[in-house]
Amino acid sequence: GENVEQHPSTLSVQEGDSAVIKCTYSDSASNYFPWYKQELGKRPQLIIDIRSNVGEKKDQRIAVTLNKTAKHFSLHITETQPEDSAVYFCAATRGADGLTFGKGTHLIIQP
Amino acid sequence: NAGVTQTPKFQVLKTGQSMTLQCAQDMNHNSMYWYRQDPGMGLRLIYYSASEGTTDKGEVPNGYNVSRLNKREFSLRLESAAPSQTSVYFCASSTWAGASYNEQFFGPGTRLTVL
Repeated sequence: GENVEQHPSTLSVQEGDSAVIKCTYSDSASNYFPWYKQELGKRPQLIIDIRSNVGEKKDQRIAVTLNKTAKHFSLHITETQPEDSAVYFCAATRGADGLTFGKGTHLIIQP
Repeated sequence: NAGVTQTPKFQVLKTGQSMTLQCAQDMNHNSMYWYRQDPGMGLRLIYYSASEGTTDKGEVPNGYNVSRLNKREFSLRLESAAPSQTSVYFCASSTWAGASYNEQFFGPGTRLTVL
């Protein structure tokens, strides 16, 4: 089955700086890669996703890049703000059989 | 449009007791999922139903059973609860059509403690 590794487990950045979270996956058939943000006690919420036929996608301060050859994808957050503090999860899937998640990155924005 | 709803929000069980977690979605999605979330482990798939009438095991199915009651509802049953099943349980739904996979929407979660 699919295996997703996520790094780092904790990331602390100064407000206004950029944050990068990286994930690798094992199943070359995976074709959909979402990123979720989860605040304490809340449900995961999708912030951006990318499909295997696209190399990069951007939505305002958030971008995701995908390297299919190396089987890794990354989340980039620019101009970080206090409300970006949360746990971020990457995930991968090949279809309707559910998402395989990384173990999460706790992003801390220092004022 | 309530999205994905789950009941109950909280539950405390004693070892050996049984219970059913309920999930419903009103987005006309084909696929539904049950995940559990433990500290430091991310979310892990327990069971899923790719379409009405089908169910399949995920990564951690032992100790659980599921029922896809209809297109809207997907329940998770613990027949004999164990302390290792203490976790937060999330239900999710999405639409999968051929090569097009769409966002999974999550319910608010059920926080289960087994004593």
